[in-house]
Amino acid sequence: GQQLNQSPQSMFIQEGEDVSMNCTSSSIFNTWLWYKQEPGEGPVLLIALYKAGELTSNGRLTAQFGITRKDSFLNISASIPSDVGIYFCAGQLNSGYALNFGKGTSLLVTP
Amino acid sequence: EAGVAQSPRYKIIEKRQSVAFWCNPISGHATLYWYQQILGQGPKLLIQFQNNGVVDDSQLPKDRFSAERLKGVDSTLKIQPAKLEDSAVYLCASSRGQSSNTEAFFGQGTRLTVV
Repeated sequence: GQQLNQSPQSMFIQEGEDVSMNCTSSSIFNTWLWYKQEPGEGPVLLIALYKAGELTSNGRLTAQFGITRKDSFLNISASIPSDVGIYFCAGQLNSGYALNFGKGTSLLVTP
Repeated sequence: EAGVAQSPRYKIIEKRQSVAFWCNPISGHATLYWYQQILGQGPKLLIQFQNNGVVDDSQLPKDRFSAERLKGVDSTLKIQPAKLEDSAVYLCASSRGQSSNTEAFFGQGTRLTVV
């Protein structure tokens, strides 16, 4: 499986700041997903994107499916301490196919 | 709706021993995945089932790893014999199947430590 390039590797921010992270691939994917993983837990799905150019929000989270289908972005607005965790992007050729994951972005938020 | 269930949560074994993990997917989900997550990395696919058939096992180390999903519901993943480098979290995920707009949901994982 292909490893996606995810950046930044880690972020250390203050509560209330906005956060941006992105994911790129050398191959096209038709589905992009963003997951959050907390220590000792499995990844939890945050947002799923199915169309190139699609912009989808889930509360303070907004994700975009890049127009080239080779990248995706996740933004978190007004961060809070409970946003702490590792955020993974995953590309999927089509629904039901295997997910290819990035290495994750570790987010730390200070009060 | 109950999520993906995995057991055990933790397992410590000595190298060359064998170990088995169990997964119960979300009810009605035809697709089941096993992923290996090494510390500091993203999950890596080991094997994918569609009902009780294998769709993709290209990255499964078949000399020591095996998996089955006999009745198309629960699945087991076995390692025999284990090596030190098998220390990782083993994640099970499920999705409805190869229809449009289906997302994969993960269990809590089994953390394996090989000493």
